[in-house]
Amino acid sequence: GAVVSQHPSRVICKSGTSVKIECRSLDFQATTMFWYRQFPKQSLMLMATSNEGSKATYEQGVEKDKFLINHASLTLSTLTVTSAHPEDSSFYICSATGRGASYEQYFGPGTRLTVT
Amino acid sequence: AQKVTQAQTEISVVEKEDVTLDCVYETRDTTYYLFWYKQPPSGELVFLIRRNSFDEQNEISGRYSWNFQKSTSSFNFTITASQVVDSAVYFCASGDNFNKFYFGSGTKLNVKP
Repeated sequence: GAVVSQHPSRVICKSGTSVKIECRSLDFQATTMFWYRQFPKQSLMLMATSNEGSKATYEQGVEKDKFLINHASLTLSTLTVTSAHPEDSSFYICSATGRGASYEQYFGPGTRLTVT
Repeated sequence: AQKVTQAQTEISVVEKEDVTLDCVYETRDTTYYLFWYKQPPSGELVFLIRRNSFDEQNEISGRYSWNFQKSTSSFNFTITASQVVDSAVYFCASGDNFNKFYFGSGTKLNVKP
């Protein structure tokens, strides 16, 4: 099956710094990638959808200047949390879908971000 | 937009008991997709099943079975003879034509030995 990786799996950063999370499709070309956020004991909340080569579409209430998403290639999307604060601490999950793989999303293992 | 409701926040059973996790969805789309995922403590989502709106046939996979009923907008998941390894959070989700997913709030299943 299609494999999606995320790096890092865990990251701790200090308040005010920025952190970048990578999402890679390892064995397929990801035309669309999705970024989710999951708070403890809560559901996954879609943050944004990104198509390769175009700007990401953010869900209502998600600050695009704070959560920068880049989908520069068909195998890589990055999420940068800028000027992170403790309330940004969360589990971030990416997913990807490829050409001809409609109605299916392949999920990465997630990145646990802790902002101190 | 679609909506998925998982009314059961947490369920506890004893090993070998059968357990059903409920999922109710709302959509105006005629074409949609329904999913179940398992999320163990590690956090990684494990895909269990996908169903499209035109296929109401129930499915069985080992100890797992799914009951899709369009008349009640439900897509329930049953685990037969539960095991401790089944302990996890289970999410039901729906997908629309734009491949956007809508997740339910999840049901935490505790299977005790």
